[in-house]
Amino acid sequence: QQQVKQSPQSLIVQKGGISIINCAYENTAFDYFPWYQQFPGKGPALLIAIRPDVSEKKEGRFTISFNKSAKQFSLHIMDSQPGDSATYFCAASMTGGFKTIFGAGTRLFVKA
Amino acid sequence: DAGVTQSPTHLIKTRGQHVTLRCSPISGHKSVSWYQQVLGQGPQFIFQYYEKEERGRGNFPDRFSARQFPNYSSELNVNALLLGDSALYLCASSLEVAANYGYTFGSGTRLTVV
Repeated sequence: QQQVKQSPQSLIVQKGGISIINCAYENTAFDYFPWYQQFPGKGPALLIAIRPDVSEKKEGRFTISFNKSAKQFSLHIMDSQPGDSATYFCAASMTGGFKTIFGAGTRLFVKA
Repeated sequence: DAGVTQSPTHLIKTRGQHVTLRCSPISGHKSVSWYQQVLGQGPQFIFQYYEKEERGRGNFPDRFSARQFPNYSSELNVNALLLGDSALYLCASSLEVAANYGYTFGSGTRLTVV
């Protein structure tokens, strides 16, 4: 019940295309859903996050869509660029909790 | 402003040895969390410390221990190293004790056990 399942494992997108990464969770107590971006040799960096009181959040080219009833959320990267090539992790945590549960990651490669 | 700093960046140890990893959080952040990231997987929670007290512990054996100092820096100690402890160890800094406000991660310590 503590897992966050992420798909796909890897993704290749043409420059200018839309990258879509999906995640699903079981624990309905989760109330914070961040996405992290990780480049080789670096730690994950917080990209964008959403709480379940909204169904969508947009920051620049990055959008989170959230479906509370389906217990699913996804990251959309519009106009994908080669510089977006990285590993993306979805995650979840809860109010009063002390840890964040991470998905297994998606390796995104954007072809120039 | 300096981000989260971790030392050393890389480390090679032999099975059975002990290792100490260090982390300095962002100035003003009182919470430090430690995560283990095995190659090809997402980070796994090890410990959280807030105001020098352990606030949470993940599903790791007692060979793993940590502490937080008065200046909020932290150490992660691992005894009796096993090959399976080879991983990237990440330190995460946050203002709040709760996990649902996001982290700032350091670049990690790459530990290789041979």
